[in-house]
Amino acid sequence: KNEVEQSPQNLTAQEGEFITINCSYSVGISALHWLQQHPGGGIVSLFMLSSGKKKHGRLIATINIQEKHSSLHITASHPRDSAVYICAVSRSNFGNEKLTFGTGTRLTIIP
Amino acid sequence: DAGVIQSPRHEVTEMGQEVTLRCKPISGHNSLFWYRQTMMRGLELLIYFNNNVPIDDSGMPEDRFSAKMPNASFSTLKIQPSEPRDSAVYFCASSFTLPTDSYEQYFGPGTRLTVT
Repeated sequence: KNEVEQSPQNLTAQEGEFITINCSYSVGISALHWLQQHPGGGIVSLFMLSSGKKKHGRLIATINIQEKHSSLHITASHPRDSAVYICAVSRSNFGNEKLTFGTGTRLTIIP
Repeated sequence: DAGVIQSPRHEVTEMGQEVTLRCKPISGHNSLFWYRQTMMRGLELLIYFNNNVPIDDSGMPEDRFSAKMPNASFSTLKIQPSEPRDSAVYFCASSFTLPTDSYEQYFGPGTRLTVT
C-alpha cells in the first residue's frame, strides 16, 4: 500500500462544476503539499499546509490531521484547470525534507 | 527571480553515454532536490541536499547515478553509463528549509531524457 493515496485517478467534469480531489496518507507528516502539473510538464506548488484550510482564488485546500486526509477543491472549474494534481507529504526530521508523492489525479474540464 | 533553472531541457543520447543534468536553484534557498518522473513510478525523490551537503540519497537507483552540489548556486546529476530505462523527466527543486520546518518547494521546468 502506498503511503500517499489519491482519488479519483481520473476526473472529467463540465465547466463550472465544483471539483473535489482527495488525498489520504498513512504516515506522520509535518506538512502536506498540493502540486499542479500542466500538460506541458511544469510543476507548480499550489498549497503547503499542516492544519486547517487555505484558499487561493478558486482553489481551497483542507487537511484533517487526525484522519490523515486532505482535500483540494476547485470552485467554478474552467478548462484551464485541466491538469494533473499531485498530493505529497513531507516528514521533516532534523532537516530531512523528503517528499513522498501520490500518483496524481488527472482532471479534465470540458467547455 | 528567474526561478529554478535546469539545463538542458531535452537530452537524447545513446545507451552507454554519460549524461550530465544541471540545476541552478533559486538564490537564497538552502535545500535542493532532484526528482525523477516516469509513467510507471510517478515522481520519486533521487537525492536531497541541505546547505550543499547530501542529506538523503536513498532514492538514487544505483552506482551509475551521482549528484554533486559544489556550491549553493549549482548542482549536477550525472548518469554514467546511461541505459534506456533511465529515460524520464528529471526535475530539480529548491526551497528554504529549517530543521523541523517544512517549506514550499519550487520546481524547475525539468529535463526530458531519452536514452536510445
